[in-house]
Amino acid sequence: EVQLVESGGGLVKPGDSLRLSCTASGFTFSNAWMNWVRQAPGKGLEWVGRVKSRIDGGTTDSAAPVKGRFTISRDDSKNTLYLQMNSLKTEDTAVYYCATEAVYCSGTSCPGYLDYWGQGTLVTVSS
Amino acid sequence: QLVLTQSPSASASLGASVKLTCTLTRGHSSYAIAWLQQQPEKGPRYLMKVNSDGSHSKGDGIPDRFSGSSSGAERYLTISSLQSEDEADYYCQTWGTGIRVFGGGTKLTVL
Repeated sequence: EVQLVESGGGLVKPGDSLRLSCTASGFTFSNAWMNWVRQAPGKGLEWVGRVKSRIDGGTTDSAAPVKGRFTISRDDSKNTLYLQMNSLKTEDTAVYYCATEAVYCSGTSCPGYLDYWGQGTLVTVSS
Repeated sequence: QLVLTQSPSASASLGASVKLTCTLTRGHSSYAIAWLQQQPEKGPRYLMKVNSDGSHSKGDGIPDRFSGSSSGAERYLTISSLQSEDEADYYCQTWGTGIRVFGGGTKLTVL
């Protein structure tokens, strides 16, 4: 059974940094492309960014609102995905989810649908 | 620009059927999309992928009451025999090179 568990959320001040973690189990994490998605209170889902598997290059892509401030990384030895968030703004307040991308497909031609999700961790940025 | 458009709300009666729509921007009508369900206070759940030809593939444990279809730039999610637990937010999602996109979501109320 695929399981994703996010952690690391909390209350921080504008300008602070925070690192979120997502611990994975039930699938071959090293082969998976992984995403971060966020949801501001009462709002819809917003894609944050994605990291490819190491065998597919391990590169990342990020959404415009977080580019240059947020960094996605992975530690395949720990089955863990990370989101390093710097220079946090009040508008970054949201529940942050990690999600797998077409987890049973491998390679660079796989579709980009997000098929397994964690329960989320809340980040509140407020002075 | 790759954008998905959804109606903000929909409603239908218990036991009835409802068809939700997700519209791709012009020029992207060949794209596949995914449907996600988010029940109150829960993380999203993947329902299915819907291709431009209307074929669809469901996620683990998704009941037969849920089906997908397509017409042009529109992708549909049909839920039949509506149950109270189907009351949720439904999102469509698609993907391009280096980007993943969500629709704004449709809040489904089961009357």
